Amino acid sequence: QLQLQESGPGLVKPSETLSLTCTVSGGSISNSRYYWGWIRQPPGKGLEWIGSIYYSGSTYYSASLKSRVTISVDTSKNQFSLKLSSVTAADTAVYQCASLYCSAGSCYLDYWGQGTLVTVSS
Amino acid sequence: QSALTQPASVSGSPGQSITISCTGTSSDVGAYDYVSWYQQHPGKAPKLMIYDVSNRPSGVSNRFSGSKSGNTASLTISGLQAEDEADYYCSSYTSSSTYVFGTGTKVTVL
Repeated sequence: QLQLQESGPGLVKPSETLSLTCTVSGGSISNSRYYWGWIRQPPGKGLEWIGSIYYSGSTYYSASLKSRVTISVDTSKNQFSLKLSSVTAADTAVYQCASLYCSAGSCYLDYWGQGTLVTVSS
Repeated sequence: QSALTQPASVSGSPGQSITISCTGTSSDVGAYDYVSWYQQHPGKAPKLMIYDVSNRPSGVSNRFSGSKSGNTASLTISGLQAEDEADYYCSSYTSSSTYVFGTGTKVTVL
């Protein structure tokens, strides 16, 4: 069973870059059946898809965040990371990493990290 | 990519059935049979309840079922139980090769 754990600063200043890392255990990040995703949830609001990455480095970003998002993968550490630039208070949210299981064209999120609250404030 | 539209809240008495709708466009829900549903209890990570419109993962009660017609997908919970009280989110694959979530529905068991 996969386990995912987010890590990174809980407080980021406006206009700076938010950086988070997700460490995967219980399986290999190079498993060909998996993509790796980032999702966020502002306090009291709904889920928002940020983007996903394959172990090869192929990335897929939400159109609304594409200009500010970079997702990368480090297979040697079994980790993948999120960078969100030029943050504002609107980026304050619980950020969660998750595994996206894919088979025969179908994909779904099956394992999630516990989530980490990132607050954007000076 | 706009969020899929769900009703903000749905309620029902124990034992009743309720249905949550999820309306998208011909670029997401209407284009692919890749709609999933997630249940989220307060302070917890979401849990997969339905994938590929109508498939249940192992361990999910058969009281949960899914369907789709055109640009609208639906989740039905039959035999409503107190433990079903939670937020529910739909998700769909999109023509942009990414995913989009619904706006979320709070289910209340009266």
